[in-house]
Amino acid sequence: SAVISQKPSRDICQRGTSLTIQCQVDSQVTMMFWYRQQPGQSLTLIATANQGSEATYESGFVIDKFPISRPNLTFSTLTVSNMSPEDSSIYLCSVEDGQGSFLMNTEAFFGQGTRLTVV
Amino acid sequence: AQSVAQPEDQVNVAEGNPLTVKCTYSVSGNPYLFWYVQYPNRGLQFLLKYITGDNLVKGSYGFEAEFNKSQTSFHLKKPSALVSDSALYFCAVRSVNAGNNRKLIWGLGTSLAVNP
Repeated sequence: SAVISQKPSRDICQRGTSLTIQCQVDSQVTMMFWYRQQPGQSLTLIATANQGSEATYESGFVIDKFPISRPNLTFSTLTVSNMSPEDSSIYLCSVEDGQGSFLMNTEAFFGQGTRLTVV
Repeated sequence: AQSVAQPEDQVNVAEGNPLTVKCTYSVSGNPYLFWYVQYPNRGLQFLLKYITGDNLVKGSYGFEAEFNKSQTSFHLKKPSALVSDSALYFCAVRSVNAGNNRKLIWGLGTSLAVNP
C-alpha cells in the first residue's frame, strides 16, 4: 500500500488568507483525490487531481476557491483560498493505483488529513 | 445513480460480542464495494472490498463482510468485538459517471462503540 504524507497536519488561519496543503506519495500512483470532511461526518469529494492538466472539480467546488496542482505522479497540492470560517474542516488527500479495468476495483489510501480552523 | 446507505448512525456492542455494521447500496452494473475505518484524529484505513467471487470477504483486524446481491447489502461483521474497534466506519461504492470520471460514493458513516 502507498504511504501518503500530508502536511500540515493542522493549522489555524485568519479569514481572507490562503493555505496550501501538500500531499506526497512514496510511489507513483494513477489517481489522486482531495476530500473535505467535517469531524465525525462523511467525506465530500472536492476534485480529482490530474497530472499535467487541470483538476476535475465536483459540483459546488471551483478552481478559484480550491486551486489544485499535480506536477507529477507522486505529489499534489490543494490551496484553500480566501478562507472563511465555513472552510474550517478536515482536508484529506487520497490515492488510488491500477491500470485499465483494475481502476474500478482498486482501493483508496488516505493521508492523515489536515485539520483547518479559520478564525 | 449509485448510492450507499448506512442506516445506523451509531452501533453499541459489548466487548466479546459479535458486531454488525450495516450497508446497503444501489448501483447500475456490477457493484464494487469497500469498507473503511477511521480512528479518532486519523485518516481512513482500508478494511476490505468486494469485487467478485465469494460473497464472504475477509479483511484486516478480523473483520469480514457479506455481500448479498438480492438484498443489495454489504454488512460488515466481526465475531468478537474489541474495545479498540471503537471507531467510525464507512461503506463506499465505486461510481463511474457519464464523463467516465471514476470516484467513490461514501455512506454517512456509522460510529461503533465497543463497551468493556
